[in-house]
Amino acid sequence: EADIYQTPRYLVIGTGKKITLECSQTMGHDKMYWYQQDPGMELHLIHYSYGVNSTEKGDLSSESTVSRIRTEHFPLTLESARPSHTSQYLCASSGSLGVGQAFFGQGTRLTVV
Amino acid sequence: AQSVTQLDSQVPVFEEAPVELRCNYSSSVSVYLFWYVQYPNQGLQLLLKYLSGSTLVKSINGFEAEFNKSQTSFHLRKPSVHISDTAEYFCAVIEGGFQKLVFGTGTRLLVSP
Repeated sequence: EADIYQTPRYLVIGTGKKITLECSQTMGHDKMYWYQQDPGMELHLIHYSYGVNSTEKGDLSSESTVSRIRTEHFPLTLESARPSHTSQYLCASSGSLGVGQAFFGQGTRLTVV
Repeated sequence: AQSVTQLDSQVPVFEEAPVELRCNYSSSVSVYLFWYVQYPNQGLQLLLKYLSGSTLVKSINGFEAEFNKSQTSFHLRKPSVHISDTAEYFCAVIEGGFQKLVFGTGTRLLVSP
C-alpha cells in the first residue's frame, strides 16, 4: 500500500482563483514528481524535485509552481486558475532504491469554470 | 529524449480470452522499461519492470512482458483475462540520471463477460 496522499480529490473552481493542490508522502522518499494527465493523452511531467529546496520544471511547460520545504510535502500552486488548467494532476514519489518504482497518489481532478 | 508509443488506445476483450497490449520505445543504449496499471478512481501502480537479465518478466497477477531489443518493444500479455483486469495500462521508460519516467498515452483494457 502506497503512502502518498493528494487532496482534494476533486476541485471545481472559478477562473482567476488561486489554488494549491496538496501532496504528501510518508515513505521518506527524496524524489517527488507532478504529472498532468488528460483523457486519452500521455502523462506529462510538469515538475520534479530531488529533495528539500530542490525543484525543476518538467518536460511540459506549466504555469503552476511548486515548493519543497519539507521532504514529505510537495504542493503545487496555480496563482490564477484558467479553464485551460482543467486536467488531472498526479503526484508521485520514489526513493533511492528500486529504479522506476514510483508511487502515485490518487490524483486531483481540477475543473476551472 | 526517450519516447514510448502505445498503438492501441482501447482493447476490448471477453473474459478468459488472451490479450496483448503493445508498447514500442525509442532506441537507446540502455533501457529500463515498465508497465503501470491504473484501476478506476485509483492512482497508478507498478505492474512489472525490466531492468536487466531475463527478457521475460512477470507480475503476481498473471501478466507478463517481454523485452525485445531488436524490435524495440515491450508488449504486455496475459493468457486469460478477468473482469477485474479492466483498467488503464501505461508503458513507461526511464530517462536520464534523475530517473524521470516517460509514459505512453495508455491503453484502456475493457474486459466483458
